Amino acid sequence: GESVGLHLPTLSVQEGDNSIINCAYSNSASDYFIWYKQESGKGPQFIIDIRSNMDKRQGQRVTVLLNKTVKHLSLQIAATQPGDSAVYFCAESVTSGTYKYIFGTGTRLKVLA
Amino acid sequence: DARVTQTPRHKVTEMGQEVTMRCQPILGHNTVFWYRQTMMQGLELLAYFRNRAPLDDSGMPKDRFSAEMPDATLATLKIQPSEPRDSAVYFCASGRGRETQYFGPGTRLLVL
Repeated sequence: GESVGLHLPTLSVQEGDNSIINCAYSNSASDYFIWYKQESGKGPQFIIDIRSNMDKRQGQRVTVLLNKTVKHLSLQIAATQPGDSAVYFCAESVTSGTYKYIFGTGTRLKVLA
Repeated sequence: DARVTQTPRHKVTEMGQEVTMRCQPILGHNTVFWYRQTMMQGLELLAYFRNRAPLDDSGMPKDRFSAEMPDATLATLKIQPSEPRDSAVYFCASGRGRETQYFGPGTRLLVL
């Protein structure tokens, strides 16, 4: 029979363009947020994090924006490259609570040459 | 460049056999997490430890799965007996307290 799996939203971007990957988080008490990149056959790789006392944080070619009012997180990748093709996960946690992360289902980024 | 290491990277076994997966957390990290990833369920937290003590294993099937940390440099996840539905990628992650979790490369398990 047909297999049913997680349907990952897919974002297709031309090489050199900027990418924006969005994530809605669930817990208004969450105060720590992380973006991971997972390439095929590999483990999730830390990209960037942000704490709730900030609304923007920049890394190398990546920027994370946090909007606590609407519980929204985004990852911006500048000048997207073929090596950026992967599944991107956001995760949230409450640092005064348990050690658990709540992971989003992920977004697949496809970079078109 | 400190990394979480996991062994074996791939495991094919027959139903009913015991499977042991090992993880070496990053030196100095005191929290260790075991996750399972499947197409159907995504990333699921199975269990985690702080300072080698199990804090939460509610995500783990208790009858067949067990997780231990014999010492600070080794975490193990054991399945006995294994079943085809256990086929998945198993990830270990480590961190310092509630800070960022760093993932290993995973063990790809296929139970026939």
